[in-house]
Parts: sequence; C-alpha cells; structure tokens
Amino acid sequence: SYELTQPPSVSVSPGQTARITCSGDALSKQYTYWYQQKPGQAPVLVIFKDSERPSGIPERFSGSTSGTTVSLTISGVQAEDEADYYCQSTDTSDTYEDWVFGGGTKLTVL
Amino acid sequence: EVQLVQSGVEVKKPGESLKISCKGSGFNFPSYWIGWVRQMPGKGLEWMGLIYPGDSETRYSPSFQGQVTISADKSISTAYLKWSSLKASDTAMYYCAKQGWSPDHFDQWGQGTLVTVSS
Repeated sequence: SYELTQPPSVSVSPGQTARITCSGDALSKQYTYWYQQKPGQAPVLVIFKDSERPSGIPERFSGSTSGTTVSLTISGVQAEDEADYYCQSTDTSDTYEDWVFGGGTKLTVL
Repeated sequence: EVQLVQSGVEVKKPGESLKISCKGSGFNFPSYWIGWVRQMPGKGLEWMGLIYPGDSETRYSPSFQGQVTISADKSISTAYLKWSSLKASDTAMYYCAKQGWSPDHFDQWGQGTLVTVSS
C-alpha cells in the first residue's frame, strides 16, 4: 500500500525556521495537504494544494515541493506552533481510491 | 459558520453494535463529501472512507472495507459511522470531516467522538 514518510520529530527554538518533510512515490503527481493537530484537539488544515494557505492561517506557514518530497516550512516559529503535523495525499486508480496520511511529525518548540 | 458536531463519548463492550453521528451546518451538506478518520490512542490519522450525502455514494479505505458502514441522511444533514460488532481494537477517537475545495482533502473537522471498547 502507498505510504507517506515523515520524520517522527523536529525541534526548533522560538523564532527559528522549522521544516517538516513528507516523502512518497506519487507526490509529484498528486497534491499534498498539511494538517496541524494540537493535543486534545481536532486537526486543522494549514496548507492545501501543496503550497496554498487557507484563510486565517498565519503567513509564517508555507508549503513547497521537490519531486517526490514535499515540505511544510514554519518561519519564525512561535510557542503556539508546537503540535503534531500530518501530510496527506491520495492514491487513486480506476478501481479504487485511498487517502493516505503520513505518520505525523511532532514539532517541539524548545 | 461551517460546523460539524459529532455525537458524544461511547463506552461499549466487545461484540456490541454502535452508530456514531456527525451533523453538519453552515454549508450545503448534500453537495460535499464527508469523511471519517480514525486516531488510535497515541497514534496518527487513518482515513476510513467517504460518503457523498447527495446520492449516498460511498468510498472505503481498503483497510476498513467490510469493517464499518458509512451512511448519511441528507434530510437532517447527518453522516454516520456504524459497527455491527465492536472489538477492543476499535478503541479510538473518530473524526468526521468535510471535503475541501476538491474531493481529495478535508477543510473542516468535527470535534471527534471517543469510542472505548472494553469488557
């Protein structure tokens, strides 16, 4: 089955830049989405269509792609950005559809 | 304001049946795919499947096909997730979520329903 690979954890100091990667064979052909999940809360969409930011999401959140690896970058990290981040894409064919989440990356703000 | 409000905490025994719900408001419910996502304790997100309330077309993850049933009642803007015989391994938080600008991601999530299955 299709898999998306994320690093389990990323740590940065406040004000620094955090970069979270997501790798998958089909990511060059399908859009990737990023969700932020804080403890005890539901996920929130922070990036859609690889690099677009929904309204209400701070400008410090950005997305980019390079081949089969996509990245979520948080510039000027703030304490409130500490959360789990999940990438998500799709694996589709004529006969089935499967949405896939990465395993998640815990962002720790030191 | 778009909202998805899920039913409350459930504590069940193995073998029992269960149906949890997700009521949408603030958007044209029949016209958006609604999905379900499982999150087991301390683990990541798993996509279970989708339903299009307008015509009840459903799509299931291969991992959940045959294990659960997704349904919807567009007249009351509510989607459902049903188990016919729960297992301890079904213990998890279950989220419903609404399709975003395209039917390949979610832009709004419910608050989650915690299901605990224990003898």
